[in-house]
Formats: sequence, C-alpha cells, structure tokens
Amino acid sequence: KAGVTQTPRYLIKTRGQQVTLSCSPISGHRSVSWYQQTPGQGLQFLFEYFSETQRNKGNFPGRFSGRQFSNSRSEMNVSTLELGDSALYLCASSLEVAKTQYFGPGTRLLVL
Amino acid sequence: QQQVKQSPQSLIVQKGGISIINCAYENTAFDYFPWYQQFPGKGPALLIAIRPDVSEKKEGRFTISFNKSAKQFSLHIMDSQPGDSATYFCAASMRTGTASKLTFGTGTRLQVTL
Repeated sequence: KAGVTQTPRYLIKTRGQQVTLSCSPISGHRSVSWYQQTPGQGLQFLFEYFSETQRNKGNFPGRFSGRQFSNSRSEMNVSTLELGDSALYLCASSLEVAKTQYFGPGTRLLVL
Repeated sequence: QQQVKQSPQSLIVQKGGISIINCAYENTAFDYFPWYQQFPGKGPALLIAIRPDVSEKKEGRFTISFNKSAKQFSLHIMDSQPGDSATYFCAASMRTGTASKLTFGTGTRLQVTL
C-alpha cells in the first residue's frame, strides 16, 4: 500500500505570495492532519480534517487554511507569506480521527 | 496543560548501549502515546505506541515504559546501532468529540557512535 504523498516536495516563494500544498493520504484513510515543523518551534499542529470537515485547528493565524475533498485528499493554503512561514509542512493520515497517524515526507517551503 | 516535555535534547550513545529518552505530560486526558523516529529530509515514522492501560510495551529493541501516576513515559532502545541515529519525538493524543490532535515533544537527537 502506498504511503502518504505530498506535493510539491520543495517550494521557494517570496514574501506576500500565497502557496498551496497537496496531500494524498494512504488508501482507505479518511482523516488528514497537517503539521508545521521548524527548528525553533518543533512540530506544531495546524489542523485536522475528516469527511471534508475541519475537526480541529491549532493556534495559527487565519492565513493558514485547508480543505479536504471527497476522496480524502487534502490541500493547505498559506496566503500572504511571511519569512517565518519557512518550514517543513507535514501531512499525516489515519483511518479515522484519533487513530494512528502516518506521516508523509513533507513539503519544504522557503520564503524569501 | 497541552505540553509534552521531552529530555534530553541530544544524546550520544556507544554502539551496543542503551538509549533512554524521557517524556512527561500534564493533561491526564491524553490516552495515546506514540513515539516517532525522523531521519533528515524525511517525515516522522511511527516507531511504537502505548495506551495508558499498560505499563510497558516492547517491539524488538524498542520498549516504552509508562508510569501513569507520575505522568511520564520513556523510550528505551536496547543494543543501539548507528542506524538508530535520528531524531526521536514523543507525542500524546486525546480525542475530544470528533476531533483529535497529536501534541509533540521537542525532540531528541540521538547519535550512536561506533
């Protein structure tokens, strides 16, 4: 069974731009969560989606948003990029909410 | 109350030795405690996990010890190998209604020397 896939793997943007990251969960998994990983803040929860509905949200500004499609694939969007948004963005999928999460390889975003 | 405190920040162990990483939590509502291993350039990979109704879980060279009363849990890596050199994260999760989230520790960078 294929693992979690994330595209693109690397991205360079400039301040003020917006970006959309994509995540395809493991086949059969219906819950998708997003995390931001930085050297300073570690792994921080962004949001969780299940059945196309946002179930939980972390402490991030409204510039960070996401959505989930009927096939469980998910996207996250960051608008008006700031230098501090440079990070590894990780997607994790699970069968359902509160089940074991399996992570993808991440999208490394660099904001210049 | 949502924090998970992890120590040490870094650890150097000789090949064949035991690596021990400790975590502590505050919120007694946490009901699932996984450990993840992360290599550079990769996403975290689930290593082993435990629920609070057991005090120990062993999978190969990896053991989780769980102390519910002290609100602490630890990862022991027996016979540590150079291939174990990675960053290890403990985490805790709880379900609230139809939602859940993983709260991660700050990570431990393990280096296993020859």
